[in-house]
Amino acid sequence: GENVEQHPSTLSVQEGDSAVIKCTYSDSASNYFPWYKQELGKRPQLIIDIRSNVGEKKDQRIAVTLNKTAKHFSLHITETQPEDSAVYFCAASRVHKLSFGAGTTVTVRA
Amino acid sequence: DTAVSQTPKYLVTQMGNDKSIKCEQNLGHDTMYWYKQDSKKFLKIMFSYNNKELIINETVPNRFSPKSPDKAHLNLHINSLELGDSAVYFCASSQDDGGRFFGPGTRLTVL
Repeated sequence: GENVEQHPSTLSVQEGDSAVIKCTYSDSASNYFPWYKQELGKRPQLIIDIRSNVGEKKDQRIAVTLNKTAKHFSLHITETQPEDSAVYFCAASRVHKLSFGAGTTVTVRA
Repeated sequence: DTAVSQTPKYLVTQMGNDKSIKCEQNLGHDTMYWYKQDSKKFLKIMFSYNNKELIINETVPNRFSPKSPDKAHLNLHINSLELGDSAVYFCASSQDDGGRFFGPGTRLTVL
């Protein structure tokens, strides 16, 4: 089955700096790569996603890149703000089966 | 409100009991899921239904039985609860294999 590895497990950044989270996946047939943000005690929320026919996607301060050949994808958050503090999960999906990474706890220091 | 809802939000019960969690989505999605999030925050798929048909059944003890009466509802019944079943259970829905929209979660504590 699909194996998704996510790094780092924790990330502390100064407000205004950028944060980068990296993930690798094992199943070359995976074709959908969403990212979720989960605040403490809340549900995971989809923040951005990318399909395998696209290399990069941006939405305001958030961008995702995908390298299908190397089987890795990354989340970039620019100009971080305290409200960006949360656990972020990457995931890879093939035919309804979405496998999650272990999560990255991001702390934005004011 | 258009959303995925699930009840109850909290469930505290004794070992050996049987309990159910209910989920409903009014997003018009055709696929629904149950995920388990353990104490280390790891999210793992348990079951998936597409148009009321079971399409994913991961290695889950058969004490867990999902039921989908229609494509807007997916319930989870758990028999003979064990301490290791304590976790947060999230229902989710999607259209085809798109982004999952999660419910608020049910925190299950088995004593």
